[in-house]
Amino acid sequence: SQQGEEDPQALSIQEGENATMNCSYKTSINNLQWYRQNSGRGLVHLILIRSNEREKHSGRLRVTLDTSKKSSSLLITASRAADTASYFCATGLPFSGNTPLVFGKGTRLSVIA
Amino acid sequence: NAGVTQTPKFQVLKTGQSMTLQCAQDMNHEYMSWYRQDPGMGLRLIHYSVGAGITDQGEVPNGYNVSRSTTEDFPLRLLSAAPSQTSVYFCASTYRWGTQPQHFGDGTRLSIL
Repeated sequence: SQQGEEDPQALSIQEGENATMNCSYKTSINNLQWYRQNSGRGLVHLILIRSNEREKHSGRLRVTLDTSKKSSSLLITASRAADTASYFCATGLPFSGNTPLVFGKGTRLSVIA
Repeated sequence: NAGVTQTPKFQVLKTGQSMTLQCAQDMNHEYMSWYRQDPGMGLRLIHYSVGAGITDQGEVPNGYNVSRSTTEDFPLRLLSAAPSQTSVYFCASTYRWGTQPQHFGDGTRLSIL
């Protein structure tokens, strides 16, 4: 069963625009991670945000976490055609360090040049 | 470092055949896992391992076996292939789930006729 659910399922934007994807989850977490998957490839880790953090930046990526709403957002600024990919959030459950991450179904981002 | 290596990249099987999907990592990660990815379903956990000799079932374990005789290798066996097992299979490894990034292989695309 999915812990995280991304929204929207698909997003199409013009190059240079910002892209925002959201993730909602059901139970308390230790942290939340975002991954990118290019077509035909495995997932690549983008960023990890801990439950006691509210915002984190990495290059053109900005991730926020609102534990009261059980939600996170991933913002990609000044998007490029190379950002075209699927994006997944994944959650780690508290008190269960020996349990693998649970992934959402992903958001498919298309950046049109 | 090669990271996580999965073989084969593509495979076509007939119903009832058995096969082993190979996964090897060279990062000395104790934690490894197998996921399957189907359209619209995201990633679903099949089996996982927290170290050599220790494995456990995930969300969709039926029809699959695993073993972990070394830290490096975590093969996934299909006992009697069924069309419902047509999917893309990903192996992942990490130093620790939930607090460290997961590293993914590029997947095995499996078709069962």
